[in-house]
Amino acid sequence: AQSVAQPEDQVNVAEGNPLTVKCTYSVSGNPYLFWYVQYPNRGLQFLLKYITGDNLVKGSYGFEAEFNKSQTSFHLKKPSALVSDSALYFCAVRDVRSGGYQKVTFGTGTKLQVIP
Amino acid sequence: EPEVTQTPSHQVTQMGQEVILRCVPISNHLYFYWYRQILGQKVEFLVSFYNNEISEKSEIFDDQFSVERPDGSNFTLKIRSTKLEDSAMYFCASGVRALNTEAFFGQGTRLTVV
Repeated sequence: AQSVAQPEDQVNVAEGNPLTVKCTYSVSGNPYLFWYVQYPNRGLQFLLKYITGDNLVKGSYGFEAEFNKSQTSFHLKKPSALVSDSALYFCAVRDVRSGGYQKVTFGTGTKLQVIP
Repeated sequence: EPEVTQTPSHQVTQMGQEVILRCVPISNHLYFYWYRQILGQKVEFLVSFYNNEISEKSEIFDDQFSVERPDGSNFTLKIRSTKLEDSAMYFCASGVRALNTEAFFGQGTRLTVV
């Protein structure tokens, strides 16, 4: 079974400061990992993914995430937060070994609040 | 930029009624999905669809639910007899491939069962 945990319901950060949104995962095989963002009354927008290769993945809007296999983590980061980054962030995982057609398991989401 | 579109944006229905949620996936995508998000809770996988058949479904996707791709462009989710607990935001998604690619999500249909 695959699962993902986002330990923080909410993260507050001052504008201009670096931000981190945490995610840990559990899979039986190798993971495919994703970050999505959800703005109010909107759908999920893809930010970035880790499939294989370089552990540091760069995505949209200046976000990046670091895959750490030993810690089974995939934390989302940004060097300098913007007020417009305030949204709900979802980490998601798919177990490569699961085969099938891409059942993705989402975390519970972390609300990011960037304070001006 | 191509996008997944869903209609309606908000649907109110009486308990026990049938409801159909509609989605137009991105045109060259082959894999289609429905997810739902109950207010304040996490996004949950319902079903995936490929080559005109269900390829995977969750325990949530019981006999009350069905999916169909009737005309090669639309992808629908039908709930035969809605229950109060079906109230949620329903997201359609599509993807080019199954394995190592992301899914593109629509803006969702908010279903309210009264």
